[in-house]
Amino acid sequence: AQKVTQAQTEISVVEKEDVTLDCVYETRDTTYYLFWYKQPPSGELVFLIRRNSFDEQNEISGRYSWNFQKSTSSFNFTITASQVVDSAVYFCALSDSGYNTDKLIFGTGTRLQVFP
Amino acid sequence: ETGVTQTPRHLVMGMTNKKSLKCEQHLGHNAMYWYKQSAKKPLELMFVYSLEERVENNSVPSRFSPECPNSSHLFLHLHTLQPEDSALYLCASSQDGTGSDTEAFFGQGTRLTVV
Repeated sequence: AQKVTQAQTEISVVEKEDVTLDCVYETRDTTYYLFWYKQPPSGELVFLIRRNSFDEQNEISGRYSWNFQKSTSSFNFTITASQVVDSAVYFCALSDSGYNTDKLIFGTGTRLQVFP
Repeated sequence: ETGVTQTPRHLVMGMTNKKSLKCEQHLGHNAMYWYKQSAKKPLELMFVYSLEERVENNSVPSRFSPECPNSSHLFLHLHTLQPEDSALYLCASSQDGTGSDTEAFFGQGTRLTVV
């Protein structure tokens, strides 16, 4: 079955600390995509990154970095030098190829609180 | 501005009321989605429309009725809801490609409270 597990429900850090959000996935597909979304208090989910299953290169974008490891079915997200504006709920998601279209399977999310 | 707009942002309704949620996207996408976000649960996919045709319905109770009159608009008609239906309802759109290689864009959601 397709499944995404985010074991960390809530994380609190102080500004400038580094923080890693864990994501473990299960899938039968050999080709799939993984995503991270950020949900600030305003409610909308903001797309952060997409990674396909054939590309295990780690990616860095500013203070954000992602570590994709197929061997452990993990796609972890690290924020370096966290800031108060990073406070949000972060969702990891897995694509699920359906008959006619594709859909996302989400984890339960990790609430990150960054204190000044 | 995400390109996906949902109205209303907040809605309180009684169990006997009928109301509708509206979603509009101006991104030229051809797939639209309704998700339900309840506290401490993963986002649940409710409906998927591709090219204005419903392609997936994840065993959603009939008190939720979607409508997609064109590729830019998606509605969720609500009637005789239960208090457990209170949640954040999120609309999303994507360019319906192959291999899930395009991300979905989400609206800000409608916070629904059923009293």
